[in-house]
Amino acid sequence: GNSVTQMEGPVTLSEEAFLTINCTYTATGYPSLFWYVQYPGEGLQLLLKATKADDKGSNKGFEATYRKETTSFHLEKGSVQVSDSAVYFCALSAGLSDYKLSFGAGTTVTVRA
Amino acid sequence: SAVISQKPSRDICQRGTSLTIQCQVDSQVTMMFWYRQQPGQSLTLIATANQGSEATYESGFVIDKFPISRPNLTFSTLTVSNMSPEDSSIYLCSVEEYNRDTEAFFGQGTRLTVV
Repeated sequence: GNSVTQMEGPVTLSEEAFLTINCTYTATGYPSLFWYVQYPGEGLQLLLKATKADDKGSNKGFEATYRKETTSFHLEKGSVQVSDSAVYFCALSAGLSDYKLSFGAGTTVTVRA
Repeated sequence: SAVISQKPSRDICQRGTSLTIQCQVDSQVTMMFWYRQQPGQSLTLIATANQGSEATYESGFVIDKFPISRPNLTFSTLTVSNMSPEDSSIYLCSVEEYNRDTEAFFGQGTRLTVV
């Protein structure tokens, strides 16, 4: 079945540091890949996505590249801010007729001023 | 993008009772999903709810415990029945929008505490 393995946290960084959260997946076919973010006290929202191999999703300074050869979708940001403190979830959907999302465990990121 | 309203936002319930969670969407959607997020854990899909048919449950979840209704294309309910403290979780409603790219939208969630 489909599964997502995500780097465990928590991760604590200083402002302007580089952030990487590793995510690898197992899936049959050609899944779509997502990063969702949950800010403190808020609901889950889509951060970025990629629907085919070598696609790069980007939003709010975050980037992730769909690497089929390594089955990975690592999230990166070059310079984090305090406002990036949140829980980040990697997820996949098998696509086509199966749009259910499989989530990773989530990584709590805390950015200190 | 779809706007999802979920009620209640939180509740504290006695064990053995049931709670019904409502999910209202501002547009017609084919597929609605119910997820559970247990404390400190990731989201787990409970079931997929399509209008006009019975919900499809994931392994480990059964209709008697989590009955779902889907009376139309903008509304769904999830009931957590005969609750125990292990049911304390955040329950989230989600919908898919099929535009150029598929995207899932989530409600704010219902934080349930069973005492």
